Amino acid sequence: DTGVSQDPRHKITKRGQNVTFRCDPISEHNRLYWYRQTLGQGPEFLTYFQNEAQLEKSRLLSDRFSAERPKGSFSTLEIQRTEQGDSAMYLCASSLNWHPGLPSAASTDTQYFGPGTRLTVL
Amino acid sequence: QKEVEQNSGPLSVPEGAIASLNCTYSDRGSQSFFWYRQYSGKSPELIMFIYSNGDKEDGRFTAQLNKASQYVSLLIRDSQPSDSATYLCAVRGGYNKLIFGAGTRLAVHP
Repeated sequence: DTGVSQDPRHKITKRGQNVTFRCDPISEHNRLYWYRQTLGQGPEFLTYFQNEAQLEKSRLLSDRFSAERPKGSFSTLEIQRTEQGDSAMYLCASSLNWHPGLPSAASTDTQYFGPGTRLTVL
Repeated sequence: QKEVEQNSGPLSVPEGAIASLNCTYSDRGSQSFFWYRQYSGKSPELIMFIYSNGDKEDGRFTAQLNKASQYVSLLIRDSQPSDSATYLCAVRGGYNKLIFGAGTRLAVHP
């Protein structure tokens, strides 16, 4: 399977603990995104990497949240001192931005999502 | 006003009928629009994207875009029970982030 993968798929933790999630994008994709989704809502953007550079962070991403993408491959999202309000599905997506030489149909910078990590904070 | 608005539903249609899902967006400068399907407990799955005014067809799905009215729709022909899911409309924003609506729940009954 060459899709986006995320680990773990489920995480239950106690309030105040730190958690870390991992995302492995589609191998040739240079862009990687993190979103958070709560019940009954659409995904909300958290942060975006192009290669290893973190280019944008949402205001939703408090100081307790940090994301990295070393070497422009996999990414990690860490939440420190978790709160019950952090309970959500954390989704990772990746895309390939178009560049000269690619057939136009080969890349539309379309984001493909991984299966998500469901976090429950007790 | 939310940036992307969808009727939460549920939209209930009989098997074999056409399901029509609608979405409006607030940023008149938006250029790219996406429809994702999400089954309960699963992650969003891309159905279609559309950039140009008019219709775009892919199998049983047709996306329609009207930039003047800031309106995007998704038609599902010959609806099947397996189409029962939440359909998320998304607009591409700055830095390529997707701005999602809350989704419309579709229920196709036999």
